[in-house]
Amino acid sequence: AQSVTQPDIHITVSEGASLELRCNYSYGATPYLFWYVQSPGQGLQLLLKYFSGDTLVQGIKGFEAEFKRSQSSFNLRKPSVHWSDAAEYFCAVDPYNNNDMRFGAGTRLTVKP
Amino acid sequence: GAGVSQSPSNKVTEKGKDVELRCDPISGHTALYWYRQSLGQGLEFLIYFQGNSAPDKSGLPSDRFSAERTGGSVSTLTIQRTQQEDSAVYLCASSLGGVPYEQYFGPGTRLTVT
Repeated sequence: AQSVTQPDIHITVSEGASLELRCNYSYGATPYLFWYVQSPGQGLQLLLKYFSGDTLVQGIKGFEAEFKRSQSSFNLRKPSVHWSDAAEYFCAVDPYNNNDMRFGAGTRLTVKP
Repeated sequence: GAGVSQSPSNKVTEKGKDVELRCDPISGHTALYWYRQSLGQGLEFLIYFQGNSAPDKSGLPSDRFSAERTGGSVSTLTIQRTQQEDSAVYLCASSLGGVPYEQYFGPGTRLTVT
């Protein structure tokens, strides 16, 4: 079945350490790709998006993501995590580029002092 | 400007009752989306409006769920004869429509069915 997969349900990193959150999709075409963050009690906020062009995209809060067509992946990275980054992160895919977005199950990030 | 707003923020209802959830999108946004987020789950797509019409209703989980949008603005999601498995956070998002686009999310309505 076509899907969006976030393999890691929960990740814990130390403050200041680097972070990579994984996202894979199984749609055939090159979709639009998004990462959203959901802080406790908050709505979802867009971190970054990929539509076309440069496969390394920069987002807010120091995040970046790289689209790798050969691996059907769009992993989110941050070089140095801050305590305020603790949240739930969702990868989303618009497989047919038509406003119909599908979300992964999310990865919960815990940041240790 | 104002973001997407949803009301109520919390709703507790008894099994079998009907509930209405409201979404006010960002002014000028033609596209509106409803999602459901169950505990520990990702977002489940429910329905999408472009203007007042819903080209994609495929995500509605049963015929107890319905949604409408009037005047190209406010949308209401109605759940009839609620069941305990309907307990979740219901999220609304809006976008300018067209592609490429960005969805802006509201804070959600937490529904608890007792």
